[in-house]
Amino acid sequence: KQEVTQIPAALSVPEGENLVLNCSFTDSAIYNLQWFRQDPGKGLTSLLLIQSSQREQTSGRLNASLDKSSGRSTLYIAASQPGDSATYLCAWDLNNAGNMLTFGGGTRLMVKP
Amino acid sequence: EADIYQTPRYLVIGTGKKITLECSQTMGHDKMYWYQQDPGMELHLIHYSYGVNSTEKGDLSSESTVSRIRTEHFPLTLESARPSHTSQYLCASSPQGTYGYTFGSGTRLTVV
Repeated sequence: KQEVTQIPAALSVPEGENLVLNCSFTDSAIYNLQWFRQDPGKGLTSLLLIQSSQREQTSGRLNASLDKSSGRSTLYIAASQPGDSATYLCAWDLNNAGNMLTFGGGTRLMVKP
Repeated sequence: EADIYQTPRYLVIGTGKKITLECSQTMGHDKMYWYQQDPGMELHLIHYSYGVNSTEKGDLSSESTVSRIRTEHFPLTLESARPSHTSQYLCASSPQGTYGYTFGSGTRLTVV
């Protein structure tokens, strides 16, 4: 069974720092990779989608990369702000026919002013 | 604006009541999903649908049922709510192909 691991589980940084969130998986036969943000008690907001033929995607201060050979994805957040505080989830879309997401456990990020 | 809507946002209900959680999307997506998430825990897929009249159970066993009579509508029903059903329920949809998922804001259900 595919396992998705996110490291670290929690992270607290001062405002302005650049940071990297890691996501690893055990099966390289992925279809899509998607990074989400979840605020406490809320739904998920899609941040970046990397299709299997792509290596990275960028949106504003966010950059996500995908390395299928090593089984890893990273989310880079530049110049972090208190508003970035949330839980960040990576999700693998493994089923080419059915498009099923498998979620990691998430990284809880706190950016202190 | 294309989006996915869940109602109610919060619901507190007594044990034994029948409830339906609504989910509607305006994007014309064929695929829709229900996830269950306990506080601070991972998301687990409980139901999904590939299109009208298609419904399947997900990885996590659930006493709820779903229906898909219209493309845009994917309601989830609990015939007899129990305290163990207390959780957050998230609805999502995706189109055919590699275009990712869109999630609703969720319904936080409390059964007392």
